[in-house]
Amino acid sequence: AQKVTQAQTEISVVEKEDVTLDCVYETRDTTYYLFWYKQPPSGELVFLIRRNSFDEQNEISGRYSWNFQKSTSSFNFTITASQVVDSAVYFCALSSGGTGTASKLTFGTGTRLQVTL
Amino acid sequence: DTGVSQNPRHKITKRGQNVTFRCDPISEHNRLYWYRQTLGQGPEFLTYFQNEAQLEKSRLLSDRFSAERPKGSFSTLEIQRTEQGDSAMYLCASSDTGGHSPLHFGNGTRLTVT
Repeated sequence: AQKVTQAQTEISVVEKEDVTLDCVYETRDTTYYLFWYKQPPSGELVFLIRRNSFDEQNEISGRYSWNFQKSTSSFNFTITASQVVDSAVYFCALSSGGTGTASKLTFGTGTRLQVTL
Repeated sequence: DTGVSQNPRHKITKRGQNVTFRCDPISEHNRLYWYRQTLGQGPEFLTYFQNEAQLEKSRLLSDRFSAERPKGSFSTLEIQRTEQGDSAMYLCASSDTGGHSPLHFGNGTRLTVT
């Protein structure tokens, strides 16, 4: 069975603060992929990043960075110098199985981020 | 790339009625997925197609639900004899056939069963 836990239901920060969204996952598969999606108020889920279980290198993309640690089964997401446009619900998701497997994602319950001026 | 398109955006129906939703995926994507999202929860996988073949269905998909993807292009999701518990956002997504490819989601169809 797979499970994704996002313990933070809602986070409020003031613009320009850094914020970290936590994600803990469970899977018995050795091959798996982790994803982060953003769901702004408009409702459409937007893909942010995908990492596979064999690559623990952290990744940075502009103000976004991701920290993947297999030892703690965590895949945390940090936004540096947050902006009002970052306000959204962020979902962590897991897809496991062989390398040709379709993306049947197991999502966490999401973290609502509110960035205010 | 015009994105994934879903129609209608909103549907209000009375309990016991049948409803049908449509999804048009990104044209070059062979895989098409249906997910359901209820308030305060993450999306839950329902089913997926590779071309016209429905390859997997979740246990969440009761006998009242049926999905089709004729000719491997657009897809429809039908719910028969709707129940109040079916009220949710129904999301369609598409991807290429690479393993664990990122999903591109549509805006969803919000169903309200009264």
